[in-house]
Amino acid sequence: EVQLLESGGGLVQPGGSLRLSCAASGFTFGGYAMSWVRQAPGKGLEWVSGISNSGSSTYYGDSVKGRFTISRDNSKNTLYLQMNSLRAEDTAIYYCAKGGEWLRKIDCWGQGTLVTVSS
Amino acid sequence: DIVMTQSPLSLPVTPGESASISCRSGQSLLNSDGYNFLDWYLQKPGQSPQLLIYLGSNRASGVPDRFSGRGSGTDFTLKISRVEAEDVGVYYCMQVLQTPYTFGQGTKLEIK
Repeated sequence: EVQLLESGGGLVQPGGSLRLSCAASGFTFGGYAMSWVRQAPGKGLEWVSGISNSGSSTYYGDSVKGRFTISRDNSKNTLYLQMNSLRAEDTAIYYCAKGGEWLRKIDCWGQGTLVTVSS
Repeated sequence: DIVMTQSPLSLPVTPGESASISCRSGQSLLNSDGYNFLDWYLQKPGQSPQLLIYLGSNRASGVPDRFSGRGSGTDFTLKISRVEAEDVGVYYCMQVLQTPYTFGQGTKLEIK
């Protein structure tokens, strides 16, 4: 069974940093591109970042570019999101997502981890 | 970035009736190979999103044939035939032509 399990969320002050992790199982992790998608409380979905299967190519949404860094360790079947200079508007549930075809056709989502940015 | 616009934002439906959701993109999602780079997702209450339709009209594995996607270029429609209680939730379209990928605002389907 394909599974994605996020961790690392929590409460952080504005300007602070946090690193999210996503442990993947049930599929050949290194064969698939991955994304992070977030959802602010009571709001819609926002694609945050994506990374190629090898990790050589990365992509970011405008709202996080320059502050967030996506990476992966295929030997550990783990996806990461390093979040720096956090703002109140970054408060959201962060979902790890597996692309079925490149970054598209997201066919598996984690349960999400909540990040709260507040003083 | 490509702007995605869904309508309606709220959709009350009687069980057994059909429902349609419109999604429009700020630029054509049709690529040179003839594929429309648009996916549809459903987020049921309290759950993570799930894939319904990819490349505009292809049902994902396990999705009932009551769900169908159509359209091309900038105008797309998700149709749900014979709506059931389990179909409640928020439906999102997402353009996957170019990064950053962008979602529509979401359409909340509820049962009358």
